Amino acid sequence: GQNIDQPTEMTATEGAIVQINCTYQTSGFNGLFWYQQHAGEAPTFLSYNVLDGLEEKGRFSSFLSRSKGYSYLLLKELQMKDSASYLCAVRGPNFNKFYFGSGTKLNVKP
Amino acid sequence: GAGVSQSPSNKVTEKGKDVELRCDPISGHTALYWYRQRLGQGLEFLIYFQGNSAPDKSGLPSDRFSAERTGESVSTLTIQRTQQEDSAVYLCASSPGGLAGVGDEQFFGPGTRLTVL
Repeated sequence: GQNIDQPTEMTATEGAIVQINCTYQTSGFNGLFWYQQHAGEAPTFLSYNVLDGLEEKGRFSSFLSRSKGYSYLLLKELQMKDSASYLCAVRGPNFNKFYFGSGTKLNVKP
Repeated sequence: GAGVSQSPSNKVTEKGKDVELRCDPISGHTALYWYRQRLGQGLEFLIYFQGNSAPDKSGLPSDRFSAERTGESVSTLTIQRTQQEDSAVYLCASSPGGLAGVGDEQFFGPGTRLTVL
């Protein structure tokens, strides 16, 4: 089966750093994606990892360890607009399916 | 158009009625996905279209659900004899193709919020 786990909710302070973890157990793996979803809006792409290591894009970085079935999204210099849900998604072996976690709701406080 | 569009944005229907949801993907995108998202939950895969290949329907929850796609353009998701448990946001996404690649991301439409009374 497919299992993607993320914390349900996290709170952090404006200007701080927060790490959102994602663990997965899937039959086959062809990349891990992170999406941001503001309330009432569609998800938007943040990052993609297919090899182990850290991918950095501005204030956002994503890390992957395939042997551990583990990824995290790191958000630096938090801003109020970063308050959103963050979805971890694993692409399956045939490139045709994405398995999404339930999302982590991040609350950024002043 | 510039992005993925979906219609209607909201649909309220009575239990037992049929509904049809529409998705217009980004021009040139060969891959198209339908997802269901219940309130406060993640995305649940429903169906995947890739070019002219047979669609992957393995995520459809029951035979009341069906979807079609005309070539590499518009797709419709049909739910027959709707039930209250079908109430959710239905999201459509498209991507350039089915092969791996850096930034081979999905572009999501705004979704259709379906409420079954």
